[in-house]
Amino acid sequence: TQLLEQSPQFLSIQEGENLTVYCNSSSVFSSLQWYRQEPGEGPVLLVTVVTGGEVKKLKRLTFQFGDARKDSSLHITAAQPGDTGLYLCVWAGSYQLTFGKGTKLSVIP
Amino acid sequence: DTAVSQTPKYLVTQMGNDKSIKCEQNLGHDTMYWYKQDSKKFLKIMFSYNNKELIINETVPNRFSPKSPDKAHLNLHINSLELGDSAVYFCASSQVTPGLYGYTFGSGTRLTVV
Repeated sequence: TQLLEQSPQFLSIQEGENLTVYCNSSSVFSSLQWYRQEPGEGPVLLVTVVTGGEVKKLKRLTFQFGDARKDSSLHITAAQPGDTGLYLCVWAGSYQLTFGKGTKLSVIP
Repeated sequence: DTAVSQTPKYLVTQMGNDKSIKCEQNLGHDTMYWYKQDSKKFLKIMFSYNNKELIINETVPNRFSPKSPDKAHLNLHINSLELGDSAVYFCASSQVTPGLYGYTFGSGTRLTVV
């Protein structure tokens, strides 16, 4: 059973469109992280959310942690080709990360 | 300066060979990891080391042997390579509280066994 379920698995959109990626679980987490992985590179940390209901913004990216701390979402406004990549929802436990399967985003110019 | 560096970037080898992947971090982190990313892009932990001591050893064939000569280095040696070992292997490091500060990953080693 996958601890973290991400949806959609694949997303292809036109430049300028908005999108939302979801991360869900039946477990309660002390924190969740979002990473972005570009082709040929390792994942890079975008944000950590800690408090239930928390909203964090990183330029055109908005991250939300669910009130019950079981889910999170990533919203991108006016997507650009540079946003293309694999977005990973991650739980950082003691001495290991547990990854969702990721959402592969393609932004077409 | 690269924070977490892995070598080589690409590795193509025949079945049955033995190979090593090296990893070094200059962030002063105490904990280092090896992750395997399969063809479907799923990342799964293999090993984690804290201050040169093995902390996590997931269900990995004993053909895989990590070695940490000091806390800045974590190398991965693989014996008798099999076709199924083909994947991208990522080294990473973190501070004591990765839940807050996250991990820093290397750029990966793409291993192809033919």
